[in-house]
Amino acid sequence: EAQVTQNPRYLITVTGKKLTVTCSQNMNHEYMSWYRQDPGLGLRQIYYSMNVEVTDKGDVPEGYKVSRKEKRNFPLILESPSPNQTSLYFCASRTAQGARSPLHFGNGTRLTVT
Amino acid sequence: GDSVTQMEGPVTLSEEAFLTINCTYTATGYPSLFWYVQYPGEGLQLLLKATKADDKGSNKGFEATYRKETTSFHLEKGSVQVSDSAVYFCALTGRSNDYKLSFGAGTTVTVRA
Repeated sequence: EAQVTQNPRYLITVTGKKLTVTCSQNMNHEYMSWYRQDPGLGLRQIYYSMNVEVTDKGDVPEGYKVSRKEKRNFPLILESPSPNQTSLYFCASRTAQGARSPLHFGNGTRLTVT
Repeated sequence: GDSVTQMEGPVTLSEEAFLTINCTYTATGYPSLFWYVQYPGEGLQLLLKATKADDKGSNKGFEATYRKETTSFHLEKGSVQVSDSAVYFCALTGRSNDYKLSFGAGTTVTVRA
């Protein structure tokens, strides 16, 4: 089954404790992206990757890091989480045919930073 | 920059009622327009899209028409079901920036039996 898999689904952590949210897709998609979803703000893009070893900042990259060493994986790293990073996070992927091709989303990771 | 404005929710309806969610956009040129839907506990999935003016996207009984003159892409469904309860997002991608999808804030729709 074609899917984007994120782990964990729920995560509670404390300020300053480094964490990684994993994302993996099995559709051989070139493009992958991370979004955060906050009430009243919709989805905002954190980082995206056009292909292996190619990453770039989205609209809200501060406090986050990503890497794209393999085509299928695109982990999101929070080196020193803070309470304002409490949010619902989504990983998404699509083909390289441009943003008019549909994005495939994971089921989300709800992060709480205390 | 490119942006999308959706009507605020939440919207609560009875089964078989008519649903409209307003969406207007600001973009240079001729963007492509989308509606994504998020069911409880899930990620977003594409509901429908339109890539040029006067195009009508449709899926699962939902429709939206790309209106360049009013810069709008309103979502409609004639008779909603409880299973349509979800959050609906309008989104666009600009012609000058084809790699990025810009989302609206989302509209929560609840359909009561």
